[in-house]
Formats: sequence, C-alpha cells, structure tokens
Amino acid sequence: NAGVTQTPKFRILKIGQSMTLQCAQDMNHNYMYWYRQDPGMGLKLIYYSVGAGITDKGEVPNGYNVSRSTTEDFPLRLELAAPSQTSVYFCASSYVTGGQLGTDTQYFGPGTRLTVL
Amino acid sequence: AQSVTQLDSHVSVSEGTPVLLRCNYSSSYSPSLFWYVQHPNKGLQLLLKYTSAATLVKGINGFEAEFKKSETSFHLTKPSAHMSDAAEYFCVVTGHSGNTPLVFGKGTRLSVIA
Repeated sequence: NAGVTQTPKFRILKIGQSMTLQCAQDMNHNYMYWYRQDPGMGLKLIYYSVGAGITDKGEVPNGYNVSRSTTEDFPLRLELAAPSQTSVYFCASSYVTGGQLGTDTQYFGPGTRLTVL
Repeated sequence: AQSVTQLDSHVSVSEGTPVLLRCNYSSSYSPSLFWYVQHPNKGLQLLLKYTSAATLVKGINGFEAEFKKSETSFHLTKPSAHMSDAAEYFCVVTGHSGNTPLVFGKGTRLSVIA
C-alpha cells in the first residue's frame, strides 16, 4: 500500500513551458485534491475532484487544469508556466461518505517542488 | 467564511518541556478542526481532529488538543517535547463551502533544543 504518490519530486521549468504533475493513490479514495504551498504560508487549494469525471475549482485555480479519468489518478497540468507558479505542490486524497464532507482525514503525498525561471 | 489564525509563527522549547501551539478559529458553522504536522521535505500527516464529539481530542505521538467554543480556540499541547517533534504544524478548519473544503493556517514551526 503506497498511499499517495507524486512525480516528479523536483522540476525546473522555463517561463512559458508546460508540464504535468502526476498524482496517484491506491486507497480507493473518492476525493482527491491539489494544493500549493508557498513559503511561510499554509496550503491553498487549487482543484479538487469528488470522483472520476468530476472536478471543481478551489481557491487558486488560475493557470492550472486537472482531469480525473480514473479513481486512482489526478494529474495537474500547467500550460504556460509563470514565475508565480514556483511553489511546492501537494496532492491529497480522502474517503468521504454522504454528509461527512469536512470531517474526512486527508492523506498527503510527499510533494513536488517546482521552480519556474 | 471560515478562517484560522495560528498565533505563533515559531515556537522553541527544550527537550522534555511542555509544548503549546496556539490556534484560534472563526466559523459560521459548527466547525471541524484538525492539526496536521509536516516534517522537513515530507507531506502532511494528520495529528488529530475534532468533529463535534469529545472536546478533548487525543492524537498520535502524545499530542492532544482541546476545543473551546467560548474562546474559539483549538490549542495543541504535549506534556514533554521530543527531538523528533521538530516540524511545522498546521491548524486547519473545515471550509464548509463548495470550493474550500479545508482552510489552513500559516503554520507554526516548532524547534526542540537538546
């Protein structure tokens, strides 16, 4: 049971390049999330998904796209990288049953450290 | 809207002494509250959570937190610090809205001195 895995661990991009951050979970969780963490700040939600085929915007979605074709995978796409997207990105997952949103325990991956120059 | 304020950005304690990390919250609803820990270059791990059951919540590694509605606080404590407790700690409140399931505080960095 690997939990939540993320690849790559580190990446340096040039302005305008694109890339996909991969996230996978093997816990059969229905909810998955993408966060970014800037220095000295808490995590900000970028996008989340309540199940395969269903995604929704979080607090800071601009410049990112997601898809959820399977329960296990939730990739995050950066189309035109900008220096403001330099951050550490965390993927998380949780199992949410009816009426319990907000009480679920989220399980986090180890993060991807992205630098845009 | 929900919000959370961690009152100290950095706390330093000696090994074997008590730990107190302070968190105040604001919520229009009955909140769910969490403490997560992040060790250097690692992902976040749940320490404990309050979901309207017992107000004193016990977590892993000897940590506990008390929900005090009258003070809108959810402070994290541990009787005796260990070197391995050095990490970043985040207080988190449920967003209860469609696009902010969790709202994170800015974090408190705990240093433990030998």
